[in-house]
Amino acid sequence: NAGVTQTPKFRILKIGQSMTLQCAQDMNHNYMYWYRQDPGMGLKLIYYSVGAGITDKGEVPNGYNVSRSTTEDFPLRLELAAPSQTSVYFCASSYRTGGIHNEQFFGPGTRLTVL
Amino acid sequence: GESVGLHLPTLSVQEGDNSIINCAYSNSASDYFIWYKQESGKGPQFIIDIRSNMDKRQGQRVTVLLNKTVKHLSLQIAATQPGDSAVYFCAVRGQTGANNLFFGTGTRLTVIP
Repeated sequence: NAGVTQTPKFRILKIGQSMTLQCAQDMNHNYMYWYRQDPGMGLKLIYYSVGAGITDKGEVPNGYNVSRSTTEDFPLRLELAAPSQTSVYFCASSYRTGGIHNEQFFGPGTRLTVL
Repeated sequence: GESVGLHLPTLSVQEGDNSIINCAYSNSASDYFIWYKQESGKGPQFIIDIRSNMDKRQGQRVTVLLNKTVKHLSLQIAATQPGDSAVYFCAVRGQTGANNLFFGTGTRLTVIP
């Protein structure tokens, strides 16, 4: 298993540009998440999904959009990039069964700089 | 929401000594707690977790202690090795049934050879 994969690894955007951060997992996990991590800080949840076709906002959703058309993929969209979105973005996935949540597995991250 | 804080932003220990990293949380309804290790340039890596119906759980060289009375958990690493050098985060699930994790700001552990 490749686990959770993210592309690209690095990206520089100009203010106002848009882009999609890709995330895929091959573990058949039903839950997927997007976090951002600012320098010296913990991770903050942007959006999450409990299954294909279902998404919900996390702690810091403004400026982002997500979709979940398949179990495997969970792309994160930035429509109008702003300097405040400069951060490292992590995608994660987990499996819930019988009401029990299991640990989240993280991808390697995408480092985004908005200038 | 949930507030999660670590007591020390940095910790230096001698190789072979035991390390203790502490974390405090604010929501008494929190039911699931995880410790992650993050090496430079990588995503967080699961170390150990504990549910609120337990107060201690042991893994390989690691132990997590949970004190629900004072809303505090700790990670103990036995015989710390240079490969343990990383940033350690505690993460707390806010409420039963959801899986939103709230992360602390992390403690950077440096192991001195």
